[in-house]
Amino acid sequence: QQPVQSPQAVILREGEDAVINCSSSKALYSVHWYRQKHGEAPVFLMILLKGGEQKGHDKISASFNEKKQQSSLYLTASQLSYSGTYFCGVRTSSNTGKLIFGQGTTLQVKP
Amino acid sequence: NAGVTQTPKFRVLKTGQSMTLLCAQDMNHEYMYWYRQDPGMGLRLIHYSVGEGTTAKGEVPDGYNVSRLKKQNFLLGLESAAPSQTSVYFCASSLDKLDTQYFGPGTRLTVL
Repeated sequence: QQPVQSPQAVILREGEDAVINCSSSKALYSVHWYRQKHGEAPVFLMILLKGGEQKGHDKISASFNEKKQQSSLYLTASQLSYSGTYFCGVRTSSNTGKLIFGQGTTLQVKP
Repeated sequence: NAGVTQTPKFRVLKTGQSMTLLCAQDMNHEYMYWYRQDPGMGLRLIHYSVGEGTTAKGEVPDGYNVSRLKKQNFLLGLESAAPSQTSVYFCASSLDKLDTQYFGPGTRLTVL
């Protein structure tokens, strides 16, 4: 079953912060976050494994709460280049590399 | 190092025609995947492969067939195209089941 992302869309001004959530009805083994710009391929941002760890690079970080079967992506001091659609992909089995993707969250950063 | 490449980039078919999409990767990845992306639906897995000579069904396999005769190539076939198969098709590959997936540039297919 497809994970649910919220919000569906968000508009920010440069420098503002945003949080994108990803919730699953199934137990999760890993969560993968991607960003896709219009007309381009999804680009990998980060992967979170079981254990509740938080990862990040630059001003983008993420958390994974395996008990709640949720992950959140945090974008701090947003830049124009952050605009795009963000997808979470979840792995619900330890035996497969299959990812099930959420429907996406569209982020628009304005000057 | 080209990464993941897809051929063709665009294609228009008439209902009932057949075609094959080619995905190639030069990263020596074991796993390869075919997705379709429709507005508001995210990425949905069509078929995938865990190694040369293997294939398995994903979430939306009906109307598609795949083959992985060589490790570096993964082919997606449409035997009798239907307008419902109008979509953007992405191929991806990963080193193993734990690794992240790297996507190709996509193929935009329109079926009239």
